[in-house]
Amino acid sequence: ETGVTQTPRHLVMGMTNKKSLKCEQHLGHNAMYWYKQSAKKPLELMFVYNFKEQTENNSVPSRFSPECPNSSHLFLHLHTLQPEDSALYLCASTSRLAGGLGDGANVLTFGAGSRLTVL
Amino acid sequence: DQQVKQNSPSLSVQEGRISILNCDYTNSMFDYFLWYKKYPAEGPTFLISISSIKDKNEDGRFTVFLNKSAKHLSLHIVPSQPGDSAVYFCAACARGSTLGRLYFGRGTQLTVWP
Repeated sequence: ETGVTQTPRHLVMGMTNKKSLKCEQHLGHNAMYWYKQSAKKPLELMFVYNFKEQTENNSVPSRFSPECPNSSHLFLHLHTLQPEDSALYLCASTSRLAGGLGDGANVLTFGAGSRLTVL
Repeated sequence: DQQVKQNSPSLSVQEGRISILNCDYTNSMFDYFLWYKKYPAEGPTFLISISSIKDKNEDGRFTVFLNKSAKHLSLHIVPSQPGDSAVYFCAACARGSTLGRLYFGRGTQLTVWP
């Protein structure tokens, strides 16, 4: 496996279900992200993890619970979601060791996404 | 409030011609800009970037132009090929903000026809 792998690719769940999205990166990166793309909206940052530590939560509701057990894996635990949470959830990674702007540190590598439908 | 705007949801160009995709931004703190390309059922892939200290960056058939005074950037693809048909996202980030915190436009669907 290479790059950033997300599973499952598609998920349908009811509002009372509990499910998880998984992301794995094989790039040796040390920062990982969850982005969300809702219909007709731009990609929006949800969470940032840097060396396994959460460094940013972009005002995401608590029904979304991220977990980063190590620098290669990132999970998004879902519970009591709403239909408006239906979206494409994209995981991404980058290397913070690249330093400042302009040298590729902000070049995110994305996974293919998990398409979530909440009924 | 959307800080990065791609006002054209779609663009159709004949093969061999130039494709010009436009992007506007409102935040004057943005100083690094990226273009991503996305095929169906795949994640966005990085295409080209430009720092605010430059006004042009070129990589093969792809050139990005930045006009800071107008807060506008554009991606030129010359010559366009059918394989370029994809959704193109413009993204920006600001000095001092969280690394990897990009602000995206809604994307422009480019279709290159033979």
